[in-house]
Amino acid sequence: GNSVTQMEGPVTLSEEAFLTINCTYTATGYPSLFWYVQYPGEGLQLLLKATKADDKGSNKGFEATYRKETTSFHLEKGSVQVSDSAVYFCARRSGGSYIPTFGRGTSLIVHP
Amino acid sequence: ETGVTQSPTHLIKTRGQQVTLRCSSQSGHNTVSWYQQALGQGPQFIFQYYREEENGRGNFPPRFSGLQFPNYSSELNVNALELDDSALYLCATSDRTMNTEAFFGQGTRLTVV
Repeated sequence: GNSVTQMEGPVTLSEEAFLTINCTYTATGYPSLFWYVQYPGEGLQLLLKATKADDKGSNKGFEATYRKETTSFHLEKGSVQVSDSAVYFCARRSGGSYIPTFGRGTSLIVHP
Repeated sequence: ETGVTQSPTHLIKTRGQQVTLRCSSQSGHNTVSWYQQALGQGPQFIFQYYREEENGRGNFPPRFSGLQFPNYSSELNVNALELDDSALYLCATSDRTMNTEAFFGQGTRLTVV
């Protein structure tokens, strides 16, 4: 079936550190890939997306590249801030489907 | 601000009761999806409505039901509440015609005691 696997958290970093959150997906069909962020007490917000192989999604300093050969869509940021502390969800959506499948989420905690 | 509003934000119900959760969108998106997010987990798809008809359902029992109205607002109804139904319920709207991404509300935190 369609699934998404994320690295377990929490990920704890100091401010200005480099961030990587790993995400792999099942390769069924030609999925679009997404990263959502959930701040405490809020719903999910779309952070970035990529719709085909080798596409790079980027927003607010975050980046992720659609890697078909490794079925991965790892989230990266060069220098995290305390305000980036949140839960990050990787998601896939098959072509022709309007329903994304989410990973379990990875909590990021950034200390000053 | 996503323009998606859910109500109520929190509520507490007793096991066996029924609950109705509501969702509305300012943008007139024609597709609404409901998700259940248990603590520490990712959102699990419950069902989706497109132009007032159910159009996809996840692995949830029939006591989870929904409606979409002509103005595209939506309700999620849960009958015979169980303790395990305690979760954050998220509504997401999108426009299938325009193939937009999903915009989420802030969720309703349901606690069943």
